[in-house]
Amino acid sequence: EVQLVQSGAEVKKPGESLRISCKGSGYSFTSYWISWVRQMPGKGLEWMGRIDPSDSYTNYSPSFQGHVTISADKSISTAYLHWSSLKASDTAMYYCARGGSGYDPLDYWGQGTLVTVSS
Amino acid sequence: EIVLTQSPGTLSLSPGERATLSCRASQSVRGSYLAWYQQKPGRAPRLLIYGPSSRATGIPDRFSGSGSGTDFTLTISRLEPEDFAVYYCQQYDSSPLYTFGQGTKLEIK
Repeated sequence: EVQLVQSGAEVKKPGESLRISCKGSGYSFTSYWISWVRQMPGKGLEWMGRIDPSDSYTNYSPSFQGHVTISADKSISTAYLHWSSLKASDTAMYYCARGGSGYDPLDYWGQGTLVTVSS
Repeated sequence: EIVLTQSPGTLSLSPGERATLSCRASQSVRGSYLAWYQQKPGRAPRLLIYGPSSRATGIPDRFSGSGSGTDFTLTISRLEPEDFAVYYCQQYDSSPLYTFGQGTKLEIK
């Protein structure tokens, strides 16, 4: 069974750093890209960027370029989303999803990680 | 960037009725690389339809997708109580940039 399991909810202060994770199982982790999707409270879905776990090649939406970093450790089948300096506006639910090669939809999703940034 | 516009914003129907949701793209979606997702409150989105008429694994056949170019449709033939949710379309043509529509909320009338 394909599963993406994300790390737990986080509460952080503005300016702090954060890394959340997404562990894949039940499939060959290096055969599928991983995308990250943001959902702000009460709002829609926004695609943030993607990574090819086989070589850690990444692409970002212009809206998120420079503000987050996507990485992966294929040895432990885990992708990451990292912020070096959080803002209150980063408060949102973040989902990882399998897919993002440009030819495939997002077919399996993690359960989401809620990030709250507040002073 | 391809912009997707979904209509209507909210659709109020009763169980047993037919639902038709629209997704219009600002430019042609190459290869009909368009997908539909369902999201229920407090849950992650779930892939329903892709490509644009193939059902994902485990999706009942009352869900169907159609369209090409700039106009796409998700149809739910007979609404079940569990179908009331928010639906998003997404294009995966404009690599490396995927985009979602703003969503259609399907609510019980």
